[in-house]
Formats: sequence, structure tokens, C-alpha cells
Amino acid sequence: GAGVSQTPSNKVTEKGKYVELRCDPISGHTALYWYRQSLGQGPEFLIYFQGTGAADDSGLPNDRFFAVRPEGSVSTLKIQRTERGDSAVYLCASSLSSSTDTQYFGPGTRLTVL
Amino acid sequence: AQSVTQPDIHITVSEGASLELRCNYSYGATPYLFWYVQSPGQGLQLLLKYFSGDTLVQGIKGFEAEFKRSQSSFNLRKPSVHWSDAAEYFCAVGARGQNFVFGPGTRLSVLP
Repeated sequence: GAGVSQTPSNKVTEKGKYVELRCDPISGHTALYWYRQSLGQGPEFLIYFQGTGAADDSGLPNDRFFAVRPEGSVSTLKIQRTERGDSAVYLCASSLSSSTDTQYFGPGTRLTVL
Repeated sequence: AQSVTQPDIHITVSEGASLELRCNYSYGATPYLFWYVQSPGQGLQLLLKYFSGDTLVQGIKGFEAEFKRSQSSFNLRKPSVHWSDAAEYFCAVGARGQNFVFGPGTRLSVLP
């Protein structure tokens, strides 16, 4: 079966622009996670969805970051007024149900803000 | 707050040699512990996980890890490294209802 997919694989934007990053989880997985990974660092938690609702968004760095999962499947991470410091690889993962089930990661979206 | 440290930023071993990657965590309760591997251009792949029970956990690709509560450690081991094991390795800690916290990673290089 298909794994977690993320689009686009690379995104280059200019400072101040708006970007959307998409994640398609494994079919049937109710839990979905977004992480950000900067160069040389481990993944940093951003937000966790259980179904359609954000169960924990404590990792979102500020109000420029927002994520949705309207139908409990595909999720979109939205970044407004991008800054150069937002440049990173954004990882999505999904798991069957709870936060302690095995998380399956997508290949990531590399965001570069010029 | 939970935290994870991986003291070794970069380790180089010869092919066929044994390997141990260190992981120490700080957590208020019994954590769930994980090791992930990330190869260049690949997504993170779970190697093994510990929730409870036997403190020696077997994983994929010949890896194992041992949970030592007294040392707050969860070190990853492999008896004989293959060139294809060269990658970045991440230790992570979580708990039911809590989010994962990843360590900074250890980059493994393998000499032929």
C-alpha cells in the first residue's frame, strides 16, 4: 500500500509570501503529525491531529503557522508571511490511532525562503 | 519536560565492526522509546520501539536496543555494521497523550 506522501517535494519562495504544504497520510490512519527539521537537527514537533481536530498544536512557533485537516485525511500546513528562518524540511507522519502507535513518515517538503 | 540527548554527533566505524549509539532521556514517567533511521533523501524509518516488558528490544536490519531505567538510557546496538547502515539515527521519547521528542541525531559513517 501507499505510504505517506507529501507535496511538493521542494518549495522555493520569497520572504513575505504565503505557502501551503500538503500531506496525504496512510489510508485509515486517524492520527497525523507535522514536524519541522532544520539542518543538523532532529525533527521538531509542530502539531498533532486526531481525526479532523488538532489534539495538540503547542509546537507551532507563532500565529503565522496554521494547519488543517478538514476531512480527517489530507492535511495542509499553511505558513503566512514567510521568513528566512522558516527554511527547513517539513515532515508529515501518520499513525493508526494513538500518539504511541508507530509513526510512518513521509519524505518531507524542503522549504527554502529567499 | 521530556528531552533526549544523543552525545555523539558523528561516529565512524569500519564495515563488520560492532556499533553502539547512545541515547539518554529525561522524562517524568516511564517513557515510550524509539529509534528511527534517516537515509539521504529518504523518510524516517522506525528501527525499533520499547513500551514495556523485556528491556532488550529487537528491531529490523539486525539492530537491538536496551532500556536501562537506572541510567535513563536506550542505546542502539548492532554486532556487525554493513555499508548500507550509513545514515542518520534519531532516538525519540514519547508517552500516551504526549508528543514525540526527538534527539539531535547521530550521523553514522561506515568505512569499507
